[in-house]
Amino acid sequence: KAGVTQTPRYLIKTRGQQVTLSCSPISGHRSVSWYQQTPGQGLQFLFEYFSETQRNKGNFPGRFSGRQFSNSRSEMNVSTLELGDSALYLCASREGHDGNYGYTFGSGTRLTVV
Amino acid sequence: GEDVEQSLFLSVREGDSSVINCTYTDSSSTYLYWYKQEPGAGLQLLTYIFSNMDMKQDQRLTVLLNKKDKHLSLRIADTQTGDSAIYFCAELIYGGSQGNLIFGKGTKLSVKP
Repeated sequence: KAGVTQTPRYLIKTRGQQVTLSCSPISGHRSVSWYQQTPGQGLQFLFEYFSETQRNKGNFPGRFSGRQFSNSRSEMNVSTLELGDSALYLCASREGHDGNYGYTFGSGTRLTVV
Repeated sequence: GEDVEQSLFLSVREGDSSVINCTYTDSSSTYLYWYKQEPGAGLQLLTYIFSNMDMKQDQRLTVLLNKKDKHLSLRIADTQTGDSAIYFCAELIYGGSQGNLIFGKGTKLSVKP
């Protein structure tokens, strides 16, 4: 079974631009979560999607948004990029959306904002 | 609020046992996880424990849970240089009906030959 696939692996953007990151979950997994990892703040929860609906949201500004498609693939979008958005963005998938299901993470997209 | 604390560094010699400790704050946590992250990589799930268990063993890994003290530990037996990585403790927190993971800052394990 293929793992969680995130594209692109690396991205460099300019302050003020917007960016879209993609995540393909493990086949059969219907829940996709996004996390931001920075040296200062560590790993922080962004949001979770299940069946194309956002089920849970972390404490991030509205510039961070996401969506999920009918095939469970997910995208997250960050508008008006700031230098502080530079981070490793990790996607995780699981079969269901309650605690009985473990999270499998992708390798991440490393975003650098200059 | 929710918080997960870990010590930042641990150094051991190859062949010794490593013990990585973690404390968490949410007494309603149901699942607690250990993840491993190697340089430039994502998070690899090592093991997890359900909150009604005290211990779980999986090959070289032993997880101990003390619910009273909200303390979790990961013991790696016969530590190898390939175990050098950052280890994250995480608890599953429920916001409404949905859960998300709260992570510690990670413990960097260095294994000296």
